[in-house]
Amino acid sequence: IAGITQAPTSQILAAGRRMTLRCTQDMRHNAMYWYRQDLGLGLRLIHYSNTAGTTGKGEVPDGYSVSRANTDDFPLTLASAVPSQTSVYFCASSRDRGYEQYFGPGTRLTVT
Amino acid sequence: GDSVTQMEGPVTLSEEAFLTINCTYTATGYPSLFWYVQYPGEGLQLLLKATKADDKGSNKGFEATYRKETTSFHLEKGSVQVSDSAVYFCALSDRGGGSNYKLTFGKGTLLTVNP
Repeated sequence: IAGITQAPTSQILAAGRRMTLRCTQDMRHNAMYWYRQDLGLGLRLIHYSNTAGTTGKGEVPDGYSVSRANTDDFPLTLASAVPSQTSVYFCASSRDRGYEQYFGPGTRLTVT
Repeated sequence: GDSVTQMEGPVTLSEEAFLTINCTYTATGYPSLFWYVQYPGEGLQLLLKATKADDKGSNKGFEATYRKETTSFHLEKGSVQVSDSAVYFCALSDRGGGSNYKLTFGKGTLLTVNP
């Protein structure tokens, strides 16, 4: 079934640890995105990629990094996790920039 | 910059009631407009979309019309069901402005439908 997968589903992480959230899509979409969702703040864009090999910063990029080595994968890395990064993280993709986005099931991350 | 304002919830309705969730936007270019739905514990799903003025998006009994004159995209459903209980997000993608085509979301409206 075509779509977006994310891993892990949930994770509890000690502050200061490094963590990579994985995202894979099989729709051959050019654009991919990472959002975080926090109660009362809605969804905020962390990083995006309009095509393989390129990335850009969203609203809240500090403390996060991404790479886009190929079309299908768009991992999000927290180099040194802090408690304020406790959130639900959603990966999304779209055919091209400006088109509707399709979301993965999310990763619930707790940083203690 | 671009922004989306939607009515604050929570909204609580009885089954078969009429639903309206208001959404207004500001954009510098020519936005496409979307409604997404998020069921408990799940990711966002695209509910409907409209890409130009006067377009009507519809899906699963939900409708929204792109009104450029009032910069609005209100979500409506004639008869809600318990299964419609979810959080609804209005969003825009501005193709001509400075947002680089990124989706701008409203903060979401929680809908609860009681039997």
